[in-house]
Amino acid sequence: EDQVTQSPEALRLQEGESSSLNCSYTVSGLRGLFWYRQDPGKGPEFLFTLYSAGEEKEKERLKATLTKKESFLHITAPKPEDSATYLCAVRRWGKFQFGAGTQVVVTP
Amino acid sequence: NAGVMQNPRHLVRRRGQEARLRCSPMKGHSHVYWYRQLPEEGLKFMVYLQKENIIDESGMPKERFSAEFPKEGPSILRIQQVVRGDSAAYFCASEITGGHHYNEQFFGPGTRLTVL
Repeated sequence: EDQVTQSPEALRLQEGESSSLNCSYTVSGLRGLFWYRQDPGKGPEFLFTLYSAGEEKEKERLKATLTKKESFLHITAPKPEDSATYLCAVRRWGKFQFGAGTQVVVTP
Repeated sequence: NAGVMQNPRHLVRRRGQEARLRCSPMKGHSHVYWYRQLPEEGLKFMVYLQKENIIDESGMPKERFSAEFPKEGPSILRIQQVVRGDSAAYFCASEITGGHHYNEQFFGPGTRLTVL
């Protein structure tokens, strides 16, 4: 079965302190890798899809990268509103398989 | 364009009762997925439906759980004779076409089920 592992489980950052989240996966062949953001009490919000190794995508302070075995979500100069749980997922035959998420807290 | 809608947002049931969760996909989306999220855990796939057709129910418990997506109306996730272990957040997601590796799924706000 495909495995998706996210690390760290939790991350506490000072405002402006850049950091990276990791998503490692084992699948029988590279598929689309997806990043979502989830705020407490809400549904996941789509951020990025990465299609192939070497690809990068950016959105405001977030940048996602992809290698053959893992993806990174870089948060540059985070603000308190970036506090959320970040989920990554791979796709196989329609259904998504999600990692457990990284809970990010950004303090002023 | 309204997003994915789910209702109710919160549902409280006593053990042994039935729970019905509804999901209306985004306009133009014909494929619906249901996921369950337990506290401190990730989202777990339950079932994938197209209108009037179950495509993949490999994540559904064999008993008490069923899902449908009729030709008209919302998708329904039904849990019969609920137990305390069914307490969780249930999320619905939709996409415009089915199963393509690169399509993103759009999620609703979830239904939080509490079983007393």
